[in-house]
Amino acid sequence: NAGVTQTPKFQVLKTGQSMTLQCAQDMNHEYMSWYRQDPGMGLRLIHYSVGAGITDQGEVPNGYNVSRSTTEDFPLRLLSAAPSQTSVYFCASSYGGQLYEQYFGPGTRLTVT
Amino acid sequence: DQQVKQNSPSLSVQEGRISILNCDYTNSMFDYFLWYKKYPAEGPTFLISISSIKDKNEDGRFTVFLNKSAKHLSLHIVPSQPGDSAVYFCAVAAGNMLTFGGGTRLMVKP
Repeated sequence: NAGVTQTPKFQVLKTGQSMTLQCAQDMNHEYMSWYRQDPGMGLRLIHYSVGAGITDQGEVPNGYNVSRSTTEDFPLRLLSAAPSQTSVYFCASSYGGQLYEQYFGPGTRLTVT
Repeated sequence: DQQVKQNSPSLSVQEGRISILNCDYTNSMFDYFLWYKKYPAEGPTFLISISSIKDKNEDGRFTVFLNKSAKHLSLHIVPSQPGDSAVYFCAVAAGNMLTFGGGTRLMVKP
């Protein structure tokens, strides 16, 4: 099992550019989520999905879109990057019976200049 | 306003001694509580959890205590080992969402 994988590991964007952060899991988990980590702020939930075709907003959804067309993949799209979106992004997954015990990917470090 | 607070950004402990990490929350509706551990350049990993119907849960060297009246959660590590040096996040659960505290960096000195 590869677990939760994220690509790319690092990315630099200019203000206004768009991009997609990829996340995939091979554990057949129903639940997937995206967090951002900023110094002193912990991890903040951006969007989550309880199954294919179902997504919902978390604590800080503005400026981000998600979709869940398959159980395995949960991409995060930045529509028009802003310096405030400079952060480390983590994708996580879990199965419905233990929703809160989440498996995290290694993260994507994004810098927006 | 932050619903989950870890007031100590860092903690230094001697190897073999007890490490106590603390977490306070504001909403009495939270019903499940967790601790995650994070090493540099890696994603967080789940460590231990407790439901609101309990006040203590133990797993080897790790024990989580819940004081519902004080809205306070703590993690005890006994004995502490150098490999425990990491950032520890508490998290509280409600519905389909986890809310994390800001983290405490634990340094265990040999």
